[in-house]
Amino acid sequence: DTGVSQDPRHKITKRGQNVTFRCDPISEHNRLYWYRQTLGQGPEFLTYFQNEAQLEKSRLLSDRFSAERPKGSFSTLEIQRTEQGDSAMYLCASSYSASGNTIYFGEGSWLTVV
Amino acid sequence: GENVEQHPSTLSVQEGDSAVIKCTYSDSASNYFPWYKQELGKRPQLIIDIRSNVGEKKDQRIAVTLNKTAKHFSLHITETQPEDSAVYFCAANSGGYQKVTFGTGTKLQVIP
Repeated sequence: DTGVSQDPRHKITKRGQNVTFRCDPISEHNRLYWYRQTLGQGPEFLTYFQNEAQLEKSRLLSDRFSAERPKGSFSTLEIQRTEQGDSAMYLCASSYSASGNTIYFGEGSWLTVV
Repeated sequence: GENVEQHPSTLSVQEGDSAVIKCTYSDSASNYFPWYKQELGKRPQLIIDIRSNVGEKKDQRIAVTLNKTAKHFSLHITETQPEDSAVYFCAANSGGYQKVTFGTGTKLQVIP
């Protein structure tokens, strides 16, 4: 499968714990996005990388959230001291800037904070 | 920043009828407008997109129209089928770094 892959697909964690999600984009894609989606809502932009540079962060991304893309390939999204309001699906997407920037989503990582 | 509004939030149509979903955007610099279909528990999947240099694009039963002057764009699905039932999201790019902002979604139900 050469699509965007995310791991883990599901995570249940206790409030206050840290969680980390990983995203592997489509191999030739230089842009990588993280979105958050809750039930009944559209994907909300969190942050965006071009190669290894994090170019934009949403106000939604509090200090407890951090994302990295150290070598311009895979990315990680870490949430520290999780809260119940962090429960959502975290979607990763990627695109190739030279091909019109069409973005392709992974299957998402479902987070439940109990 | 970009603001994308989408209407209606829910839409029920009889099988074979047409469905229309409308979106407006705020950033006059936006030039890329994709539409995604999301089935329950699955990823959003691109179904069609349009760029600002064209006013209409069609792909079989799906068409999208764009009015840059009015800053609105629409998705048209003809001859709807039960498998068209899903949530549809419009989106628009914005900003120098091409962030894509999504609408709030339209839940389409096609009644057999």
